[in-house]
Amino acid sequence: KQEVTQIPAALSVPEGENLVLNCSFTDSAIYNLQWFRQDPGKGLTSLLLIQSSQREQTSGRLNASLDKSSGRSTLYIAASQPGDSATYLCAVSSQGGSEKLVFGKGTKLTVNP
Amino acid sequence: GAVVSQHPSRVICKSGTSVKIECRSLDFQATTMFWYRQFPKKSLMLMATSNEGSKATYEQGVEKDKFLINHASLTLSTLTVTSAHPEDSSFYICSALEGSGAQGEAQHFGDGTRLSIL
Repeated sequence: KQEVTQIPAALSVPEGENLVLNCSFTDSAIYNLQWFRQDPGKGLTSLLLIQSSQREQTSGRLNASLDKSSGRSTLYIAASQPGDSATYLCAVSSQGGSEKLVFGKGTKLTVNP
Repeated sequence: GAVVSQHPSRVICKSGTSVKIECRSLDFQATTMFWYRQFPKKSLMLMATSNEGSKATYEQGVEKDKFLINHASLTLSTLTVTSAHPEDSSFYICSALEGSGAQGEAQHFGDGTRLSIL
C-alpha cells in the first residue's frame, strides 16, 4: 500500500528566504507526482506535475524534483513571499493506469513579512 | 485553464437530512471524476471514483448506500450524503480528470464543500 509522508509538518520562515519541502513515498512504481497548494477552507490548486520519466519541473519561483528510485520529491520555493503561506500537499499516482492519487498530510508554510 | 466548480461551498443542516454536492467541469469534458474527504490535519482520502455512464467505484470502508454518486454527464458528478449524521461532518472535495488518465494527466480540483451536521 502506497504511503506518502511530508516533512516538516509545519514551517515558518521570514520573507525572502529560499526553502525546501520534502515528500517521500514508499512504492517507487508511480505514474506521476503532483504538488498542490491548499489555502484554508479551500480546494487544491495544482502547482507542478512531474511524470515518472522526468526528474524535475519548474514554474516561476517553484521547482520540483523527483527521484523515483529513492521515493523522494522536493519542492523548492525561491524568494518566499507572505502570499506563499498555505499548506502544500504532495500526491502520487500509482502505475498500472490508475488515476488514483495518494496524498501526504501536507506541510503548512507560513512566510512572515 | 481547466476549471472545476463545486457547489455548495458550505452546508449546515440537521441530522437526518440528505445533502447533495455538485461537481462540474466548466471548460472540459471529464469521463472520470473523484470524490475525496478531508479531516482536519489529515490527508485527503479518496472516497470513490465516478465514471460517466457507469457505477461509481468505492474505496474500501466507504458505504456506497451512504454516499450516493451519480455521473450522468461528461461535465457533472453529484455526491449525495444520505441521512447525514454529525460524524459525516467533513470537508468534501471533488476532482475531474482531463483526458483518460492514460498519459498521467493532472486532476483538477474544486474548491470543496464544508459539511456541518448539527
